[in-house]
Amino acid sequence: GESVGLHLPTLSVQEGDNSIINCAYSNSASDYFIWYKQESGKGPQFIIDIRSNMDKRQGQRVTVLLNKTVKHLSLQIAATQPGDSAVYFCAENNGSSNTGKLIFGQGTTLQVKP
Amino acid sequence: GAVVSQHPSRVICKSGTSVKIECRSLDFQATTMFWYRQFPKKSLMLMATSNEGSKATYEQGVEKDKFLINHASLTLSTLTVTSAHPEDSSFYICSARRQTQGYEQFFGPGTRLTVL
Repeated sequence: GESVGLHLPTLSVQEGDNSIINCAYSNSASDYFIWYKQESGKGPQFIIDIRSNMDKRQGQRVTVLLNKTVKHLSLQIAATQPGDSAVYFCAENNGSSNTGKLIFGQGTTLQVKP
Repeated sequence: GAVVSQHPSRVICKSGTSVKIECRSLDFQATTMFWYRQFPKKSLMLMATSNEGSKATYEQGVEKDKFLINHASLTLSTLTVTSAHPEDSSFYICSARRQTQGYEQFFGPGTRLTVL
């Protein structure tokens, strides 16, 4: 069935290092992917998105990579800061549907050590 | 732009009572709003899709008579948890999709419901 999963539930990095958070998806019909950041007790916050006609997209300190061949999505955070500590979710749309529904992965907790 | 608010942010109620949660898009019109439920240390679980002026579409396993959704305008959707029980305690989050835009959803800050 359709699912979006994360390889690791928790990622611990040193402040200043780069972080890479991975996500695997199973629906090859999905053509839109988003990364969200969720801090404790708050709603998810949009970080960056990418469409399936691209394999890389860069934002401020963040880069999303999409490998459609192996159905893999990753979020790279450069120079990780304590404020980056949060749970990160990847989400995919269902390419065969126009409802706008998103399917969320299980989340990866990023812990930044000072 | 693209701010979504929820009210209340926290609510504690007695078992058997009903609770209404509001979701508002403050600076844009939302053709579609979504309601999610999130348990501690878990992902977001979509409960229903709310389209302005029409009935909500519920996900499998979500009781429509238990979780009443109304989307009366392009900026407001409400979720009413009827006859709440302790197992309904959760973090409820709404999101809104902008009119004529793509798949990006803008999320509210969430409502923490505790049923005693």
